[in-house]
Amino acid sequence: NAGVTQTPKFQVLKTGQSMTLQCAQDMNHNSMYWYRQDPGMGLRLIYYSASEGTTDKGEVPNGYNVSRLNKREFSLRLESAAPSQTSVYFCASSEGSSGSGELFFGEGSRLTVL
Amino acid sequence: SQKIEQNSEALNIQEGKTATLTCNYTNYSPAYLQWYRQDPGRGPVFLLLIRENEKEKRKERLKVTFDTTLKQSLFHITASQPADSATYLCALGGYNTDKLIFGTGTRLQVFP
Repeated sequence: NAGVTQTPKFQVLKTGQSMTLQCAQDMNHNSMYWYRQDPGMGLRLIYYSASEGTTDKGEVPNGYNVSRLNKREFSLRLESAAPSQTSVYFCASSEGSSGSGELFFGEGSRLTVL
Repeated sequence: SQKIEQNSEALNIQEGKTATLTCNYTNYSPAYLQWYRQDPGRGPVFLLLIRENEKEKRKERLKVTFDTTLKQSLFHITASQPADSATYLCALGGYNTDKLIFGTGTRLQVFP
């Protein structure tokens, strides 16, 4: 049982380049999340999806776009990467529907923007 | 704006002692609070959930308290072991939403 799978695990970009972080879960969860984690800042929510076809902004959405392709997959796109987007990105999922359920996290994607 | 505070300094304790971590929050009325453990280079892993109408929750060596008047949660690990060394994150959830807001985490080091 894979849980939450993120790709790629590591990526180096130049300023202005674009890329997409992929995330897939195999637990039939309704809700999916993208967080970024920076030293001293903790986990900050970028975008959230309560169900297939719906997305909602989190605390730090600027510079990102998301797509909930289907129930399993939730991708995060950086259209024009900036050094400030250097971070560790975590995808997570939960059963959702306000069940206050636990979040299951992926192993993270470490992004460096030069 | 909503704010969650956890001790930014590492907590160092001796094996066998009880570790107590603090999570304080302001400008928020959470419906529930969760605690996660995060090891270096890994994603957070869920430990415990406590709801706003619950005072205390236990799971094996772990105990969580939730005081909505003080706006504070305490996370205790009894009989701590070196394997408990990790960063511990608290997270708050609201009513009718699955969004979680996380604190910055506290690093715990348990020495033999």
